[in-house]
Amino acid sequence: AQRVTQPEKLLSVFKGAPVELKCNYSYSGSPELFWYVQYSRQRLQLLLRHISRESIKGFTADLNKGETSFHLKKPFAQEEDSAMYYCALSGRNTDKLIFGTGTRLQVFP
Amino acid sequence: DAGVTQSPTHLIKTRGQHVTLRCSPISGHKSVSWYQQVLGQGPQFIFQYYEKEERGRGNFPDRFSARQFPNYSSELNVNALLLGDSALYLCASSLTGVSYEQYFGPGTRLTVT
Repeated sequence: AQRVTQPEKLLSVFKGAPVELKCNYSYSGSPELFWYVQYSRQRLQLLLRHISRESIKGFTADLNKGETSFHLKKPFAQEEDSAMYYCALSGRNTDKLIFGTGTRLQVFP
Repeated sequence: DAGVTQSPTHLIKTRGQHVTLRCSPISGHKSVSWYQQVLGQGPQFIFQYYEKEERGRGNFPDRFSARQFPNYSSELNVNALLLGDSALYLCASSLTGVSYEQYFGPGTRLTVT
């Protein structure tokens, strides 16, 4: 079965603390993995994708095929990072995304 | 470019009615996908259309249908509405139908009473 699991509904940290949002997936084949973010009153937008290996707004995510994980990390959280984060996967050459249930990140001053 | 636009912003319907939701993709984008997001859940894929052809369909009943027009805009139709159809309906567009280029609209909030 194709599935994305985000075990934490809510993650609360203080500004400057490290952040790790967990994502595990189940997929037969080689999926594309993504993190999407939704800030308050804004539309869903792509944060990063594993194939590009980019660091966006200080966030990184490493695909671990052995553990089927794609955790999102940031060494020092900022208040503006507070948002809803969704992990998602897709197959090759398709727009179909399978999303997790999302993790709300709250960064306190 | 305003990005992906959707109309209406929100609407309220009664059980058994039908509804049509509209989406205009980013100029030049040929692929449109529809997602349903129920409160507290992640978006769930409904359809993808590319160059006016259905490319993918999610696990939704036949009450859900969609189409794409020559100008690449799209409509999502839902017949015989149920209370469980209450959700945020998202539209996303991409240039070539490959997900890493996908851009989402603001959504249409549908409430079924």
